[in-house]
Amino acid sequence: IAGITQAPTSQILAAGRRMTLRCTQDMRHNAMYWYRQDLGLGLRLIHYSNTAGTTGKGEVPDGYSVSRANTDDFPLTLASAVPSQTSVYFCASSDSGTGSYNEQFFGPGTRLTVL
Amino acid sequence: LAKTTQPISMDSYEGQEVNITCSHNNIATNDYITWYQQFPSQGPRFIIQGYKTKVTNEVASLFIPADRKSSTLSLPRVSLSDTAVYYCLARRWAGNNRKLIWGLGTSLAVNP
Repeated sequence: IAGITQAPTSQILAAGRRMTLRCTQDMRHNAMYWYRQDLGLGLRLIHYSNTAGTTGKGEVPDGYSVSRANTDDFPLTLASAVPSQTSVYFCASSDSGTGSYNEQFFGPGTRLTVL
Repeated sequence: LAKTTQPISMDSYEGQEVNITCSHNNIATNDYITWYQQFPSQGPRFIIQGYKTKVTNEVASLFIPADRKSSTLSLPRVSLSDTAVYYCLARRWAGNNRKLIWGLGTSLAVNP
């Protein structure tokens, strides 16, 4: 693994189904993020994690949950998918801390369609 | 946290300098300004970050005036491969709280 990976690449899902998007990084970054990207709305933060064992809510957390059991993995779960969750989802990671330099490294994205 | 506003699109030609301005009128003391580049079907990629005055790296410059209510990303001598969407981001780390407000992106088209 080099950098940050996401799975699946794309998925078509029936409304009401449960879905987990996977994200793994090998850079030993403490902080990880989940975004959704929609046409005309840009990138919006869903959830984040400053370090393993902690999570926080972003701008649009409703309908999503995350967990951070270890440093490398940060899965995003849709408990009961709805069509409005159709989007491209990006996972990112960065060094944490209060320093000024916190470049985020992004995964390739997961294209999710909820029918 | 500052709301970021940037032009929807811009056009340029190869070899020209391109300046993309982002407005963030409500920027706070703890906010940093970061710019990212995104190509189709890829995740955003970091370009440059600054707090005030001028920052330069091997690909771009970032100008932030004293009042910090705007910032300008400057791309010197663009090429066709610079055609992409450019995002302005205002971010703040306050203890364990993170605020990240992305602009809607500026779609830059570089023409031959």
